[in-house]
Amino acid sequence: GIQVEQSPPDLILQEGANSTLRCNFSDSVNNLQWFHQNPWGQLINLFYIPSGTKQNGRLSATTVATERYSLLYISSSQTTDSGVYFCAVVRRDSWGKLQFGAGTQVVVTP
Amino acid sequence: DSGVTQTPKHLITATGQRVTLRCSPRSGDLSVYWYQQSLDQGLQFLIQYYNGEERAKGNILERFSAQQFPDLHSELNLSSLELGDSALYFCASSVDAEVSPLHFGNGTRLTVT
Repeated sequence: GIQVEQSPPDLILQEGANSTLRCNFSDSVNNLQWFHQNPWGQLINLFYIPSGTKQNGRLSATTVATERYSLLYISSSQTTDSGVYFCAVVRRDSWGKLQFGAGTQVVVTP
Repeated sequence: DSGVTQTPKHLITATGQRVTLRCSPRSGDLSVYWYQQSLDQGLQFLIQYYNGEERAKGNILERFSAQQFPDLHSELNLSSLELGDSALYFCASSVDAEVSPLHFGNGTRLTVT
């Protein structure tokens, strides 16, 4: 199956700092999504971004499908940004199978 | 609130037993997905249903089965439970079959003792 690698595995930030999370994938994809799992376990869809760039408030994401990576930017981080960020992809010709990476654990300290 | 409803929130049962997890998708969504999240395996795709039909299958054990009913709600049945089946089980839904933005329920935490 497709390999989804996220880096870094862990990130500790001071409130107000900016950060970049990376997702590399091993095969062509037609679907890529970013999720945030908060400390209560809820999984929130942040972006549906098979290609291009999108912004949502302090978060933005860029996917370069031809080079098989995606980036998630967190600006002016807040303690509520803490949690695990997952990248998930659907390999071309594997309809429906959204495969998740291992995630980046983010802790934002006051 | 994602609009995806899962029940129950918590389930504690013994090895060898059978349980049923229930999911109601967001209004208007035709696809339902089941995922298992455990510490050692991460988030694993189990199965997808689209408008009542099985659409895609992942790492779902033979002891597990699922279905989607005409009203689009779905049930995941887990039988002959083992300690290793303890995990958080998520249901998600999307509008179509092609995993357009996926929206997750709050999960069912299953503990097998």
